[in-house]
Amino acid sequence: QITLKESGPTLVKPTQTLTLTCTFSGFSLSASGMGVAWIRQPPGKALEWLALIYGDDDKRYSPSLQSRLTIAKDASKNQVVLTMTNMDPVDTATYFCAHPSDYYDDRAYIAQWGQGTLVTVS
Amino acid sequence: EIVLRQSPGTLSLSPGQSGTLSCRASQTIPMSSVAWYQQKSGQAPRLLIYGASIRATGIPDRFSGSGSGTDFTLTISRLEPEDFAVYYCQFFISTPTFGGGTRVEIK
Repeated sequence: QITLKESGPTLVKPTQTLTLTCTFSGFSLSASGMGVAWIRQPPGKALEWLALIYGDDDKRYSPSLQSRLTIAKDASKNQVVLTMTNMDPVDTATYFCAHPSDYYDDRAYIAQWGQGTLVTVS
Repeated sequence: EIVLRQSPGTLSLSPGQSGTLSCRASQTIPMSSVAWYQQKSGQAPRLLIYGASIRATGIPDRFSGSGSGTDFTLTISRLEPEDFAVYYCQFFISTPTFGGGTRVEIK
């Protein structure tokens, strides 16, 4: 069974850097094709993909936020860390970590989601 | 950049009715890249459909997906009370993109 859980601050001040950790189980980021994504959702709004990392350290970022985001993995700890710099009130959102389908699968989708963590910027 | 537009924004239905949700892409996308998710208030999204028409594990057969090219559809037959939620379509090649969502509300 695959599970993911987000952790980090619930409140950050404008201009600060946000650091979120995703701790997962049920798969290994040392395995080829395995990945972890970060997705956020402002209150009452739609989902927005932020970043994605695969086991071979392939990293991908949302073009609109790329300059502010860094994603990194610690496969030995089953953790993925997302940092977002220069936080602004518009970044207030629930941040989800998620497990995409195998990179080598013909069909691409987000297979499992963490429960999400609400981050308020104020 | 491919954009997904979902319609309608809100769909008002009664339990037992059927509903059709639309997802239109700004350019042709492969069926293998299309998925649908259900999200209830305060919860994470749940995968319903992938590969445009394949139900995820445990998803009842009243949910069905179809479409190709730029137009994709999620159909919910015989709406149950637990089906009232927000539904998102997704396109995923290299990186995922989500539509704006359709809210299915009780009429």
